[in-house]
Amino acid sequence: DAGVIQSPRHEVTEMGQEVTLRCKPISGHDYLFWYRQTMMRGLELLIYFNNNVPIDDSGMPEDRFSAKMPNASFSTLKIQPSEPRDSAVYFCASSFAGRETQYFGPGTRLLVL
Amino acid sequence: EDKVVQSPLSLVVHEGDTVTLNCSYEVTNFRSLLWYKQEKKAPTFLFMLTSSGIEKKSGRLSSILDKKELFSILNITATQTGDSAVYLCAGPSGTYKYIFGTGTRLKVLA
Repeated sequence: DAGVIQSPRHEVTEMGQEVTLRCKPISGHDYLFWYRQTMMRGLELLIYFNNNVPIDDSGMPEDRFSAKMPNASFSTLKIQPSEPRDSAVYFCASSFAGRETQYFGPGTRLLVL
Repeated sequence: EDKVVQSPLSLVVHEGDTVTLNCSYEVTNFRSLLWYKQEKKAPTFLFMLTSSGIEKKSGRLSSILDKKELFSILNITATQTGDSAVYLCAGPSGTYKYIFGTGTRLKVLA
């Protein structure tokens, strides 16, 4: 299995631009998680899905952030408009219900200038 | 509010030393506690602990949970430079949602 796939791996953008991060979970996994990691705040859970349905988005920082999962093999995290404080590494992870191990993707390193 | 606290924040040791990393938690609906190792990339899974007093081992790494005192420790014996990483502990907060501690940054010197 290829593991969790994320794209792009690096993104540099200017403040005010729209940013879309993409994730393909491990085939057969029915839970998908989006995390953000910064030096100041560590690893934070933003939102997670079960069977493509958002279950808990209480970690989404503000309305500029949105996430979708149109099907079992694809999810996006969108930031519009982006701000410099959004600069972080964004991880996607997936798991199979009943097994609490989450498998992380390689992350997208976002820099907003 | 659920929380996970790790200590120490950072640690520098020499190869061959034994280290103990600590994780304390306060969560309302405990199911399991997870340990991850993060080098330069994404976290990788180490252990899942659900029962008190039962040690999990993987090579030179071992971990144990104390559900009465609400903490877990991760031991690494005969450390090697390849053990240098950030070690993360995570506890459940709600259904299938985990919160992470800030991590312990371990540096092993040759």
